[in-house]
Amino acid sequence: KAGVTQTPRYLIKTRGQQVTLSCSPISGHRSVSWYQQTPGQGLQFLFEYFSETQRNKGNFPGRFSGRQFSNSRSEMNVSTLELGDSALYLCASKQRPPETQYFGPGTRLLVL
Amino acid sequence: AQTVTQSQPEMSVQEAETVTLSCTYDTSENNYYLFWYKQPPSRQMILVIRQEAYKQQNATENRFSVNFQKAAKSFSLKISDSQLGDTAMYFCAFMKPRMSSGDKLTFGTGTRLAVRP
Repeated sequence: KAGVTQTPRYLIKTRGQQVTLSCSPISGHRSVSWYQQTPGQGLQFLFEYFSETQRNKGNFPGRFSGRQFSNSRSEMNVSTLELGDSALYLCASKQRPPETQYFGPGTRLLVL
Repeated sequence: AQTVTQSQPEMSVQEAETVTLSCTYDTSENNYYLFWYKQPPSRQMILVIRQEAYKQQNATENRFSVNFQKAAKSFSLKISDSQLGDTAMYFCAFMKPRMSSGDKLTFGTGTRLAVRP
């Protein structure tokens, strides 16, 4: 099976803009989670979707949002970008069982 | 809330030697999952090994094995016969899957491992 794919891989935006990141899970996986990785805060959970429903959300402002489509592909959106949003955004998919999340290569976002 | 602690920010090991990375966690849950992930310079997060808390037997995957001490809430990773390709950041992670509130990995701060030739 193909692994988790994320697009785009790299992105440069300016403050105030918005951005949409995409994640395609492993075939058959219905759960998709998003994580933000920064040098200062480490790996932090953003949100998780299962069957098009958000089941859990991390402690991030409302500027961060997401959705999942019927084919399990997921998108996350960040509006009104801030310099601190510069990070590696990781997507992971999972099926039950086994209870294991498999990660995509990530999207590196740089906000100038 | 669960917390995961990795007390070794950096470690170094000679090629072909054995190294152990430490991880402790705090939870009031009884059934959960623990993971070690590896993140090489490419930044791709790769699963190394998984342990189910209800299983007493320690998980092993080729050169990688864990020492899972449930009562002590300790979950260390042993890498045998270290190879240059093992050079990476290693993250310990905890998950309690819940159908109602979803699945969330809680990560430690990571241990940067350098394998010396």
